[in-house]
Amino acid sequence: QQQVKQSPQSLIVQKGGISIINCAYENTAFDYFPWYQQFPGKGPALLIAIRPDVSEKKEGRFTISFNKSAKQFSLHIMDSQPGDSATYFCAARPSGTYKYIFGTGTRLKVLA
Amino acid sequence: EAQVTQNPRYLITVTGKKLTVTCSQNMNHEYMSWYRQDPGLGLRQIYYSMNVEVTDKGDVPEGYKVSRKEKRNFPLILESPSPNQTSLYFCASSSWTSGSDYNEQFFGPGTRLTVL
Repeated sequence: QQQVKQSPQSLIVQKGGISIINCAYENTAFDYFPWYQQFPGKGPALLIAIRPDVSEKKEGRFTISFNKSAKQFSLHIMDSQPGDSATYFCAARPSGTYKYIFGTGTRLKVLA
Repeated sequence: EAQVTQNPRYLITVTGKKLTVTCSQNMNHEYMSWYRQDPGLGLRQIYYSMNVEVTDKGDVPEGYKVSRKEKRNFPLILESPSPNQTSLYFCASSSWTSGSDYNEQFFGPGTRLTVL
């Protein structure tokens, strides 16, 4: 079964620090890797996304790093703020399909 | 306001009693999808639809049915709910542009279902 493994399950970071969330995939070609942010009581919302022909994408304080050979991709949140406290999901879309495989989520808490 | 709406938001039911969770979007999106969210398991895709009358299975379709008779609506049907279908359900929609960097899915607010 296609899988996307996400770690850590939870993360506590001091305000101003860097939050790093990692995802890895196995044995399948994927063509699109979005990250979603979810606040309590809300639906997930797209944060940033990358395609496998790009090794890094940055939008403000959020950066995706993509390592195609290692089949890994990660989200970096620079200068983390208490308002970033949320659950983050990585996802991947198998090439040639309209399916989405999500990771299990990382609960981030940024301490003031 | 562009949005995805789901009804009901909360539902408690009993095993075997058929139910439907409605989903509607006002963004003229081609793509719609249903997910369930469970602690420790993240989001898992149940069904998706690329357009009217075009649906396909996600990773966890067992026990669920969908239909797409109109572009804006994508109801999720549980013919005979069981306790293992107790979960938080999300509907999502997106436009679909081949090769685009962003096929952003817009999620609804969620439906919390409890099956006793």
